[in-house]
Amino acid sequence: QVQLQESGPGLVKPSQTLSLTCTVSGGSISSGDYYWSWIRQPPGKGLEWIGYIYYSGSTYYNPSLKSRVTISVDTSKNQFSLKLSSVTAADTAVYYCAREATGGTKYFQHWGQGTLVTVSS
Amino acid sequence: AIRMTQSPSSLSASTGDRVTITCRASQGISSYLAWYQQKPGKAPKLLIYAASTLQSGVPSRFSGSGSGTDFTLTISCLQSEDFATYYCQQYYSYPRTFGQGTKLEIK
Repeated sequence: QVQLQESGPGLVKPSQTLSLTCTVSGGSISSGDYYWSWIRQPPGKGLEWIGYIYYSGSTYYNPSLKSRVTISVDTSKNQFSLKLSSVTAADTAVYYCAREATGGTKYFQHWGQGTLVTVSS
Repeated sequence: AIRMTQSPSSLSASTGDRVTITCRASQGISSYLAWYQQKPGKAPKLLIYAASTLQSGVPSRFSGSGSGTDFTLTISCLQSEDFATYYCQQYYSYPRTFGQGTKLEIK
């Protein structure tokens, strides 16, 4: 059974870059059958999809965040990462990584447990 | 981006009740809709995909219906463990978008 685990700093200063990593276990990120996504949820609010990466490195970002987002993949470590630049308090959220199939079943069946990132000086 | 609108935003009900949550898409999404359940401090859990297909292991009291722009999630006989927040999500196009959530509370 695939498992995803987010890791990274829980506190980031305003204007700096938020960096998180998702480690995948129980399956290969290079299988080609999945897109690997980041999703976030501000405290007490709803879910926002940030973007995905394919094992080949191809990406798709939410236009609302595209100018500040970079998602990368390290197949040798079975990990993918998120960088969000120029953060403000509005970027405070629980950040989830999730897996979406490339075929017809393109929903998020597997999620990490989430990690809270607070933007504050 | 496709906008997903859920109603109601919150709902009070009692154990044993039947409840229905509605999700409307701003444009047609065929049946490319999923429902998730989220409990405090936990990641969302997939309940239903393809608008009406129950994910393995999800109790049969949960059901989904709809296609195009209008969808419903029904819980036929509420159990204590069902009190949570529910989200719909379209996977018809990118960016993926979610409804704002429906919080189901104990009356």
